[in-house]
Amino acid sequence: DIQMTQSPSSVSASVGDRVTITCRASQGVSSWLAWYQQKPGKAPKLLIYTASSLQSGVPSRFSGSGSGTDFTLTISSLQPEDFATYYCQQAHSFPLTFGGGTKVEIK
Amino acid sequence: QVQLVESGGGVVQPGRSLSLSCAASGFTFSSYAMYWVRQAPDKGLEWVAVISYDGSKTHYADSVKGRFTISRDNSKDTVYLQMNSLRTEDTAVFYCAKESTVTTYSYFYMDVWGKGTTVTVSS
Repeated sequence: DIQMTQSPSSVSASVGDRVTITCRASQGVSSWLAWYQQKPGKAPKLLIYTASSLQSGVPSRFSGSGSGTDFTLTISSLQPEDFATYYCQQAHSFPLTFGGGTKVEIK
Repeated sequence: QVQLVESGGGVVQPGRSLSLSCAASGFTFSSYAMYWVRQAPDKGLEWVAVISYDGSKTHYADSVKGRFTISRDNSKDTVYLQMNSLRTEDTAVFYCAKESTVTTYSYFYMDVWGKGTTVTVSS
């Protein structure tokens, strides 16, 4: 199974800050990676797929990069509605696996 | 609009069975693979199962293989999860999700999610 490791597990940031979250795969997944946002008590929302493609309707302040084993999600200017938990997911092979999550909190 | 509505959750004793349903609307259901993903209390996301758009292919997480069965009825725009031999560690919110790409079983991204249904396994 491919293990997905996210760092940090939590980050405190202020509105307007640039935030970067990292996801590392235990083996190469090419660009088969997605990022999701989840707010408390809500279902996850797809933000990025194939590592860097922005899902329709997602603000352009979100961007993804990377390939192989190392990936990043960047929020260029954090907005109040962005405080949430973010998960990466590899789509390279079964079983599909998620990272442990990164909680973005208000500083 | 595109919508997924899960149902069937509840409280069940260990070893018993439960069946979840997910009713889809707002898109051509028969053209998309469908997923079940769960989230234990205060834990992260765990993929459970996927079924191809035509029902011919399925895959499962090792933790549920042999106990859970995913199926679909394209005439009813509904996907199911039959859960047998439930364990306390199956306690979670179960989400139904839709594949992002039409008529494919090679892109595994979930672009629409239901609100979830809660399964509690407890004696």
